[in-house]
Amino acid sequence: KNQVEQSPQSLIILEGKNCTLQCNYTVSPFSNLRWYKQDTGRGPVSLTIMTFSENTKSNGRYTATLDADTKQSSLHITASQLSDSASYICVVSRANTGNQFYFGTGTSLTVIP
Amino acid sequence: GAGVSQTPSNKVTEKGKYVELRCDPISGHTALYWYRQSLGQGPEFLIYFQGTGAADDSGLPNDRFFAVRPEGSVSTLKIQRTERGDSAMYLCASSPSLADYNEQFFGPGTRLTVL
Repeated sequence: KNQVEQSPQSLIILEGKNCTLQCNYTVSPFSNLRWYKQDTGRGPVSLTIMTFSENTKSNGRYTATLDADTKQSSLHITASQLSDSASYICVVSRANTGNQFYFGTGTSLTVIP
Repeated sequence: GAGVSQTPSNKVTEKGKYVELRCDPISGHTALYWYRQSLGQGPEFLIYFQGTGAADDSGLPNDRFFAVRPEGSVSTLKIQRTERGDSAMYLCASSPSLADYNEQFFGPGTRLTVL
């Protein structure tokens, strides 16, 4: 079964601290993996995308890693800001299926001052 | 430029009623996707279109749900005889095509509440 699992389910950190979110997937055949940020009541916004051959991708303070052998990915956020408070969703796309996305349940991040 | 828009932003209806949710994709995007997101969950795939045709509707939960895209642009998700379990955020996304690496651009969603 094609699944995407994320941990932790929720996380609270102090402003300025770093954090790492985890994603495990069983989606096959694998095409690419994305991390999205979703603010409450809004649609998801893409942060990074990685293909099979890429094992790290950065976007400002966000750095994603991918281990296609173990089917694991992480999203590292450095020097967190209050505006980072959101849900972070790991999304895996199956190859040759019309770019169909499989979503994780998300990690709810709260950054407190 | 204009992104994906969805209307209405919120819809409250009574059990048993019929509702229509509209999605305006980014101009020129041939692929359009509908997702449903329950509270505290990630979005779940419902259906996607390539042009006017539904390329995959395997995610529609039952025959009360139907979607159309008659001119290959605007899409409407239709729900008949709504049930309280249909309450969720309905997200629409568009993409330049169905190619594997294309980005999907999401709209703000329609929050459906069935009383």
